[in-house]
Amino acid sequence: DIVMTQSPDSLAVSLGEGATINCKSSQSVLYSSNNKNYIGWYQQKPGQPPKLLIHWASTRESGVPDRFSGSGSGTDFTLTISSLQAEDVAVYYCQQYYGTPPTFGQGTKVEIK
Amino acid sequence: QVQLVQSGAEVKMPGASVKVSCKASGYTFTNYDISWVRQAPGQGLEWMGWISGYYDNTNYVQKFQGRLTMTTDTSTSTAYMELRSLRSDDTAVYYCARDQRSRGIPLDYWGQGTLVTVSS
Repeated sequence: DIVMTQSPDSLAVSLGEGATINCKSSQSVLYSSNNKNYIGWYQQKPGQPPKLLIHWASTRESGVPDRFSGSGSGTDFTLTISSLQAEDVAVYYCQQYYGTPPTFGQGTKVEIK
Repeated sequence: QVQLVQSGAEVKMPGASVKVSCKASGYTFTNYDISWVRQAPGQGLEWMGWISGYYDNTNYVQKFQGRLTMTTDTSTSTAYMELRSLRSDDTAVYYCARDQRSRGIPLDYWGQGTLVTVSS
């Protein structure tokens, strides 16, 4: 199975400041046939199911604010929140869906400083 | 709009079975697959397996082999997840999610979750 490792486990950011979450896969998740990285990013608020924010490492879902962006390729990926809002307090998960089973990172908790 | 509505919370004794339902609406059920993901209290997300929307193909994580069954009823656009021989460490919120990995998109819509508590 592909192991996904996120860092940090938690971070506290002031409102309006940027937040960066890293995600590393134990093997490349780049599909050579279409040059797409099979990485998704999810946001989970307390008591709610996860919400898909980004697929293919950098493609935002419809309705997701553009302060959320994804980047990276191969084995190293990043989710960036450019200007943290109060409603962004949540746990964020990366997931690889290149291999089966699809596997998640352990999660990164984002709080307000 | 796409919705996945799951059945209500369950409390089960160790050794019992649980069957959780996931009713889909707002899209053509047979055109998409369903994955099941669970989350133990205070823990992360664990993918359990997948069932295709049309052919009833399934793929389960090895650790659940032999006690997990996923099925669908296309007449009611409902997916089911049955877990047998429950143990205390099966206590978790169980989610169904629409799965478009075959199209390059992961789990794009999720049910609200079903809490399964295993306790004597």
